[in-house]
Amino acid sequence: EIVLTQSPGTLSLSPGERVTLSCRASQSVSSSYLAWYQQKPGQAPRLLIYGASNRATGIPDRFSGSGSGTDFTLTISRLEPEDFAVYYCQQYGSSLFTFGPGTKVDIK
Amino acid sequence: QVQLQESGPGLVKPSQTLSLTCTVSGGSISSGSYYWSWIRQPAGKGLEWIGHIYTSGSNDYNPSLKSRVTISVDTSENQFSLRLSSVTAADTAVYYCAREVWSGYYPHYHYNGMDVWGQGTTVTVSS
Repeated sequence: EIVLTQSPGTLSLSPGERVTLSCRASQSVSSSYLAWYQQKPGQAPRLLIYGASNRATGIPDRFSGSGSGTDFTLTISRLEPEDFAVYYCQQYGSSLFTFGPGTKVDIK
Repeated sequence: QVQLQESGPGLVKPSQTLSLTCTVSGGSISSGSYYWSWIRQPAGKGLEWIGHIYTSGSNDYNPSLKSRVTISVDTSENQFSLRLSSVTAADTAVYYCAREVWSGYYPHYHYNGMDVWGQGTTVTVSS
């Protein structure tokens, strides 16, 4: 089973700042099978990025994804008030999905 | 626009079987290249994938739950269901259903994410 590690666990930032979130896999992941989600309290997760770098429908272009192999990154170019949330990476391999533990982005 | 809605008991006794149904509206469960997934989230914790099913009946389960999980599909009702047997307090969580989007052709499939989610339903295991 591929284990995903996300860092940092929590980020305290101000609106307007640039954010870089890391997702590291215990073994190589196909970029085709790496996704990112945003979750706000009391809500279901929302798909942001699939295929490591493709924005899902309706996702603002301030969100971008990159990476390959074992290291992947989600970048928010300029934090908006509605972006304060928990972000999860997810991978698919060997007929199994796993999620990272999440990174919480909260207001400084 | 496709929507998903989970339904089922909110309270299950230990050792019994948890049963949930996800109803798909706004589209056919059989159309497109979709798998249908169950995911759960204990309060204050992260997401755990339980398993998924294709409308042909083909499915995969999380190995950590495989011995206790059954996911089935009813295309005539546009629903898919989860059964989790021998539950304990550790199975207390919010349970989500979601649609997985796939593209491409064998052997070059591309995963396009879980793009539609239900609102989630809280299941508590307690006597």
